Amino acid sequence: NAGVMQNPRHLVRRRGQEARLRCSPMKGHSHVYWYRQLPEEGLKFMVYLQKENIIDESGMPKERFSAEFPKEGPSILRIQQVVRGDSAAYFCASSQRDPKAKTQYFGPGTRLLVL
Amino acid sequence: AQRVTQPEKLLSVFKGAPVELKCNYSYSGSPELFWYVQYSRQRLQLLLRHISRESIKGFTADLNKGETSFHLKKPFAQEEDSAMYYCALSPGKETSGSRLTFGEGTQLTVNP
Repeated sequence: NAGVMQNPRHLVRRRGQEARLRCSPMKGHSHVYWYRQLPEEGLKFMVYLQKENIIDESGMPKERFSAEFPKEGPSILRIQQVVRGDSAAYFCASSQRDPKAKTQYFGPGTRLLVL
Repeated sequence: AQRVTQPEKLLSVFKGAPVELKCNYSYSGSPELFWYVQYSRQRLQLLLRHISRESIKGFTADLNKGETSFHLKKPFAQEEDSAMYYCALSPGKETSGSRLTFGEGTQLTVNP
């Protein structure tokens, strides 16, 4: 089992561009979570998705950010018109379908730098 | 609202000394508590969870509901324990598959 995969590992964007971050959950996992870690801070929850459904997006900024987890393919976190304050590490985690199995397994993260 | 506090950003001990990483939480229900660890250049990984009541790599953590704490302890620290440690909380059984709330982390350094 390759574990949770994220790509790219590093992403550099200029202000105003779009950033697309991808996350492939562990095999057999149907729950995906996205977290953001700003410099010198802990991880902050952004969004929780199951296949084709957004379950909890209470941590997502109201504008420019969106997430999806299609029936086929990886989960995508999309940031439109990036600003310098979006520079952070973005982590994806996945867990099993069983709601009692709450252990989340994390990917290596994507480091986004906005110039 | 749920909140996790790790009061120490940095903690430095000598090899063989006991170590305790503090974690306090606030949550109105019965949460599940976790400790995650991130070694240098590695991904975040689960160290232990309170419902398992197990010892991993010599670390233990007891959930104290009265003090709303979940401190991580090890009697004899090793150099390979040097890492960033995060305490995290998840809502309890009443909620299925949900968000983790993390503390800000404690960087543990074990000196030779």
